[in-house]
Amino acid sequence: GAGVSQSPRYKVTKRGQDVALRCDPISGHVSLYWYRQALGQGPEFLTYFNYEAQQDKSGLPNDRFSAERPEGSISTLTIQRTEQRDSAMYRCASSSRDRSSGANVLTFGAGSRLTVL
Amino acid sequence: AQSVTQLGSHVSVSEGALVLLRCNYSSSVPPYLFWYVQYPNQGLQLLLKYTSAATLVKGINGFEAEFKKSETSFHLTKPSAHMSDAAEYFCAVSGTSYDKVIFGPGTSLSVIP
Repeated sequence: GAGVSQSPRYKVTKRGQDVALRCDPISGHVSLYWYRQALGQGPEFLTYFNYEAQQDKSGLPNDRFSAERPEGSISTLTIQRTEQRDSAMYRCASSSRDRSSGANVLTFGAGSRLTVL
Repeated sequence: AQSVTQLGSHVSVSEGALVLLRCNYSSSVPPYLFWYVQYPNQGLQLLLKYTSAATLVKGINGFEAEFKKSETSFHLTKPSAHMSDAAEYFCAVSGTSYDKVIFGPGTSLSVIP
């Protein structure tokens, strides 16, 4: 697609429910990143993929959080047994390599705002 | 491991005045450095990037940043602030082209008429 698409844009759920957030990256982008952003804070790294391989998941807060990208394109971030502290904006970004420098340039989606009641 | 600090969570400047937003980084390898901007209720967009080609980098909307290895800094400047520059600014670092990108906590810029 033309940009990074995230769904749902807004999700309200009750504590204890599972949620799945979807990210559809820009076509052809090798890398896909998940971040969590609290209000007034910087994006907090969660995990990233190169193609279908999860390269780093050191930012996932605990084992209730998981992510996959089975075919190297669309990715899903799943939060099991949600808690109120999980409420935040979850942002996905996909990355192209700058042709001249190789720099990792991120293009962000609009985000999925999760509210856990 | 890479990390970023941004001194000053909030900066206010008068319209027409110099904008200076500070960023210091830590990296075990030569870094790629970025500034992203986030306007209210919008996503993040790239302002400029440092890739070792030149230490002074020019970006969109009249912003520029200078890489100073000796100071491990990558401060963002703009000679004359416009009202439309009011936004949240994030500095970010990556160790290699296939590495994760780490963001700083951000600086909120206000422009006073």
